Amino acid sequence: ELKVEQNPLFLSMQEGKNYTIYCNYSTTSDRLYWYRQDPGKSLESLFVLLSNGAVKQEGRLMASLDTKARLSTLHITAAVHDLSATYFCAVEGTSYDKVIFGPGTSLSVIP
Amino acid sequence: DGGITQSPKYLFRKEGQNVTLSCEQNLNHDAMYWYRQDPGQGLRLIYYSQIVNDFQKGDIAEGYSVSREKKESFPLTVTSAQKNPTAFYLCASSIDRRRTGGVPLQETQYFGPGTRLLVL
Repeated sequence: ELKVEQNPLFLSMQEGKNYTIYCNYSTTSDRLYWYRQDPGKSLESLFVLLSNGAVKQEGRLMASLDTKARLSTLHITAAVHDLSATYFCAVEGTSYDKVIFGPGTSLSVIP
Repeated sequence: DGGITQSPKYLFRKEGQNVTLSCEQNLNHDAMYWYRQDPGQGLRLIYYSQIVNDFQKGDIAEGYSVSREKKESFPLTVTSAQKNPTAFYLCASSIDRRRTGGVPLQETQYFGPGTRLLVL
């Protein structure tokens, strides 16, 4: 059964600092998503990672995928307050039907 | 504009009552999904459908029912059997990747704005 874990679950960081959020999953998959959710809002797609070694960057966020280690990272560079949100990773099962979500990482960037 | 709409934004349910949440998409997606999100938690899959007139149970289907009579629509009914229905419900749609043979596509699930269900 596919399980997805994230750590940390809560992250408070100062503006200008760097940090990494980790996403581990339990069974083989070659497709991983990162989403952002603002309080009370729906989910916004950030990245789709399709293969081992994939790296995507958008602004201060960079995501990578290591399928052998079953690990994805979301790296935040020089954090700003606007990045405060909950970040979810989600992993697709090998039968291309279900997508299983991690518990989310609640990020708070403090001025 | 293409997208997913959900209605209503807020829904109040009385005890013993069935209520239906609407989800409509005009993205021409085959696959549609319903998720439940409890405060401070991740998303849990309720039901999903990959083709009209067919749907599958997710991880927490008990107390819920769905139909898929049209490609664009995937309504969710919260029945009286669901004893703790208060949550944020999110509908999503995507290309059915089984039909692409799993060919990598830069496609993701697109989410609607959500319905917040509260019990009176």
